Amino acid sequence: QVQLEQSGAEVKQPGSSVKVSCRPPGGLLNSKALNWVRQAPGQGPEWMGGIIPVFGTTNYAQKLRGRITITADRSTGTAYMELSSLRSEDTAIYYCAREPLWFRDLSGHFEDWGQGTLVTVSS
Amino acid sequence: EIVLTQSPGTLSLSPGERATLSCRASQTIRSEYLAWYQQKPGQAPRLLVYGTSNRATGIADRFSGRGSGTDFTLTITRLEPEDFAVYYCQHYGSSPPMYTFGQGTKLENK
Repeated sequence: QVQLEQSGAEVKQPGSSVKVSCRPPGGLLNSKALNWVRQAPGQGPEWMGGIIPVFGTTNYAQKLRGRITITADRSTGTAYMELSSLRSEDTAIYYCAREPLWFRDLSGHFEDWGQGTLVTVSS
Repeated sequence: EIVLTQSPGTLSLSPGERATLSCRASQTIRSEYLAWYQQKPGQAPRLLVYGTSNRATGIADRFSGRGSGTDFTLTITRLEPEDFAVYYCQHYGSSPPMYTFGQGTKLENK
């Protein structure tokens, strides 16, 4: 399993936005989707959303729709997750996680993960 | 929305013993979309098993998964010291795409 490279820790004010990057070794492959999963302190993982870079399609968790945007820059091989209107409950470690595609379909599991990016929301 | 319930919450065992972890879905799920992860403190989750019973690359054969319908298990035969961690099951639902994790089972060294 391969580690994806994420950007560094962030401290943000409530109401602001954060943008976290993720660059897999070898870039964004046509055979993989890229997802974002967060984990609040002492809690289990929570899927936030994902993108299939080769098709440009995105899917988002219902509870975050309107606040989350996931993009992929194929020229630099980097994916981004932006979360707006931050509140204290968004304090968590944010992971990117790579998912194989089976033909053109999502396989449903995460085979490679980033090291995590701690986002702290505090005034 | 499918809810995954893992049991027990904490499992206390010794190295060399056998561990059986349970994951129950709130409704019947497709077995190809059930996965298990291991997470150690300060680390990202690591994929152990996907499609209910397929071991991920590099995972030792003491880890095995089975199940169908609503009931799934992860078994670790002959626990090694490095196996003590938190384990999560995870499900993928395709319409619309959605990924759900269980609340986790902490496997601790007795």
